[in-house]
Amino acid sequence: GDSVTQMEGPVTLSEEAFLTINCTYTATGYPSLFWYVQYPGEGLQLLLKATKADDKGSNKGFEATYRKETTSFHLEKGSVQVSDSAVYFCALSDVNFGNEKLTFGTGTRLTIIP
Amino acid sequence: DAGVIQSPRHEVTEMGQEVTLRCKPISGHDYLFWYRQTMMRGLELLIYFNNNVPIDDSGMPEDRFSAKMPNASFSTLKIQPSEPRDSAVYFCASRARQGSGNTIYFGEGSWLTVV
Repeated sequence: GDSVTQMEGPVTLSEEAFLTINCTYTATGYPSLFWYVQYPGEGLQLLLKATKADDKGSNKGFEATYRKETTSFHLEKGSVQVSDSAVYFCALSDVNFGNEKLTFGTGTRLTIIP
Repeated sequence: DAGVIQSPRHEVTEMGQEVTLRCKPISGHDYLFWYRQTMMRGLELLIYFNNNVPIDDSGMPEDRFSAKMPNASFSTLKIQPSEPRDSAVYFCASRARQGSGNTIYFGEGSWLTVV
């Protein structure tokens, strides 16, 4: 079945550091890929998405590129801020193969230190 | 446009009591999902509906859990009787049938504590 493997956390960085959170997936077909973010005490918000190979999703300075050859969708940001402290979830859905739901990774807790 | 609306946001209840969580999906969305989040198990899909019909309830933990969707704008998740191990955040989410890149939109969650 479909699955998402996400970089183990927690991750602690200093402000303005470069961020990478690794995500790889296994899917039957050609899934859409997502990054969701959960701030403390809040629900999940869509951060960015990509629906086909080589697409790049971007939002709020974060980027991720859909790499079919390596089945990866790594999240990057060039200069993190304290306000980026949150839990980040990589996810996929593969509606073309009857998988209507989102399959999530385990989440990576990110803490940014001033 | 309003997002997915859940109620209550927070609930504390005693073991054995019935708990009902409510959800209003985004207008026009055909799919509705109930997820549960715990520290031990992460995010788990409990059940999802398409056009008000339950499609996959394989994630519902046991008979104490039930979910209904009587119409396109309302769904409930009921736990009866509740147990301390049911303490978790329960998320409702919805998605349109076509377009929007298959994006699923989440509510802010119902934070349940069973004591």
